[in-house]
Amino acid sequence: NAGVMQNPRHLVRRRGQEARLRCSPMKGHSHVYWYRQLPEEGLKFMVYLQKENIIDESGMPKERFSAEFPKEGPSILRIQQVVRGDSAAYFCASSPRVQVEQFFGPGTRLTVL
Amino acid sequence: DQQVKQNSPSLSVQEGRISILNCDYTNSMFDYFLWYKKYPAEGPTFLISISSIKDKNEDGRFTVFLNKSAKHLSLHIVPSQPGDSAVYFCAASLNSGGSNYKLTFGKGTLLTVNP
Repeated sequence: NAGVMQNPRHLVRRRGQEARLRCSPMKGHSHVYWYRQLPEEGLKFMVYLQKENIIDESGMPKERFSAEFPKEGPSILRIQQVVRGDSAAYFCASSPRVQVEQFFGPGTRLTVL
Repeated sequence: DQQVKQNSPSLSVQEGRISILNCDYTNSMFDYFLWYKKYPAEGPTFLISISSIKDKNEDGRFTVFLNKSAKHLSLHIVPSQPGDSAVYFCAASLNSGGSNYKLTFGKGTLLTVNP
């Protein structure tokens, strides 16, 4: 049973470009969560999605960030017009039901030049 | 505003001895606590949890203690093994509230177990 998969593992973007991070949850999991870890910090909750629905985006920056979890395909975290402060590790997690025992992917490390 | 604090960035212990990792929290509404373990280039892996109605939970070599009055929890690993070397994150949630999926993490403690 494959775990949570994230790609790419590393992403380099120049300021002003767009970053698209993908997350495929574990088989049978319909709940997806995105967290961000800035350097020297703990993981911080960004958004919680179920298939085709955003349930809680209270941790998302108000501008430039969006997330989706379509009926088919992976969940996508999209960052438009990236800035240096967006450089971080972005972790996706999934669960079979809404719960805190979440299964994390390996993360995408975003570097903005 | 750091609601979950791990004040020791690192800890080094000898193989076979006890490792004690500490965590403090400020939000008295937190009612469920978890420890995650993270190896380099991997995501965090759930290790053990405890509800606020308990003061101890044990799973093999891992025991978590909760002191609600002090808003403090600790993870004990006995005996420590070199494979335990990793970053350990303490996390908390409002399990009885409407957002029982939202984890608040500490900054982590790097544990090194020396052979």
